[in-house]
Amino acid sequence: AQTVTQSQPEMSVQEAETVTLSCTYDTSESDYYLFWYKQPPSRQMILVIRQEAYKQQNATENRFSVNFQKAAKSFSLKISDSQLGDAAMYFCAYISNFGNEKLTFGTGTRLTIIP
Amino acid sequence: DAGVTQSPTHLIKTRGQHVTLRCSPISGHKSVSWYQQVLGQGPQFIFQYYEKEERGRGNFPDRFSARQFPNYSSELNVNALLLGDSALYLCASSLGQGASQETQYFGPGTRLLVL
Repeated sequence: AQTVTQSQPEMSVQEAETVTLSCTYDTSESDYYLFWYKQPPSRQMILVIRQEAYKQQNATENRFSVNFQKAAKSFSLKISDSQLGDAAMYFCAYISNFGNEKLTFGTGTRLTIIP
Repeated sequence: DAGVTQSPTHLIKTRGQHVTLRCSPISGHKSVSWYQQVLGQGPQFIFQYYEKEERGRGNFPDRFSARQFPNYSSELNVNALLLGDSALYLCASSLGQGASQETQYFGPGTRLLVL
């Protein structure tokens, strides 16, 4: 069974600085997708970024980028120029490309932005 | 276009009752997934439906059931409610043809409290 681990329950960063959130996963499959979702206090789970395992190039979305290390099964999220609106719970998630239709989530990292 | 919508937003029930939660996917999306998020944890997969057929089921008791309608909206039913069913229930939609190939977009959730 696939597992996703987020070892940082809480992180904080000064506004305008850069922060990196960690995620590791365990799978025996070679073809899968990884995601970072953001869940602010409003509860809505919002997609931040997606990475296909077959792509070596790291995904980027504006201030958000990932460091995908397939051999190490590591998938970290870097947030540059942190803004107050980035404060939220961040969840790392995995989905297989072999008929397993479910997202497997980590336990989340609560990110606080310090003004 | 409207995002994923869920109703109701909040619900209070007592033990032993049953509950029906509703979800409307993004227009054009044919796949709906349901997740349970207990406070302080990541979402756990309950069901996935595509074209009105169950495509996946998580490790939940038979008290949990779901269905998808011809317009691709979905209902999640929970019978004989237990205190432990108190959680945020999230619905996610995707285009279909295998959720692993598509990004799942989440609704705002229904907060269920069982007393």
